[in-house]
Amino acid sequence: SQKIEQNSEALNIQEGKTATLTCNYTNYSPAYLQWYRQDPGRGPVFLLLIRENEKEKRKERLKVTFDTTLKQSLFHITASQPADSATYLCALVSARQLTFGSGTQLTVLP
Amino acid sequence: GAVVSQHPSRVICKSGTSVKIECRSLDFQATTMFWYRQFPKQSLMLMATSNEGSKATYEQGVEKDKFLINHASLTLSTLTVTSAHPEDSSFYICSARSGGLAGGNEQFFGPGTRLTVL
Repeated sequence: SQKIEQNSEALNIQEGKTATLTCNYTNYSPAYLQWYRQDPGRGPVFLLLIRENEKEKRKERLKVTFDTTLKQSLFHITASQPADSATYLCALVSARQLTFGSGTQLTVLP
Repeated sequence: GAVVSQHPSRVICKSGTSVKIECRSLDFQATTMFWYRQFPKQSLMLMATSNEGSKATYEQGVEKDKFLINHASLTLSTLTVTSAHPEDSSFYICSARSGGLAGGNEQFFGPGTRLTVL
């Protein structure tokens, strides 16, 4: 069956460190993968999109990698700040349909 | 980026009543709109996909007679939860996609509507 798994439900890191979140999938052939940020009681906010033929994408302090052989995407936040604390969702797009992982709740401690 | 609004943001109703949630794309025309439901600490689950002017396509397990979706214009979709029950209490989120933005692949999400059925 198809699955999207994000490595941990919760991740705590110290301010200034790099946060690394993992998204693994099985039985999908996604055309591309997206990462979203969701704050409590709010809808997801789009952060980055990476296509199947791209290895890496960067946007300011964010970096995403996409390994279609390992069926894995890594999401990095460098120089993390308390304001980065939120739930981060990966989502696969296959046949123009978006399917979400359950998310990782990141807490950046001051 | 494009903006999607939802109204109301929060609604509390009695069991057995119907609730309508509106989703609007404010600065673009949404050829396709999606409705998701999210329970606490869980992922967003797609309920249905609607294209303007045609009937919605519902995901398996979602009752189309209970969750009525209308996508009457390119900027407005509504979700009506009919005869709501406490188990329908959830966070409902809409999103919209335009064929003209980001190659037609990016979805923009609304802020969500918290429904509580007493």
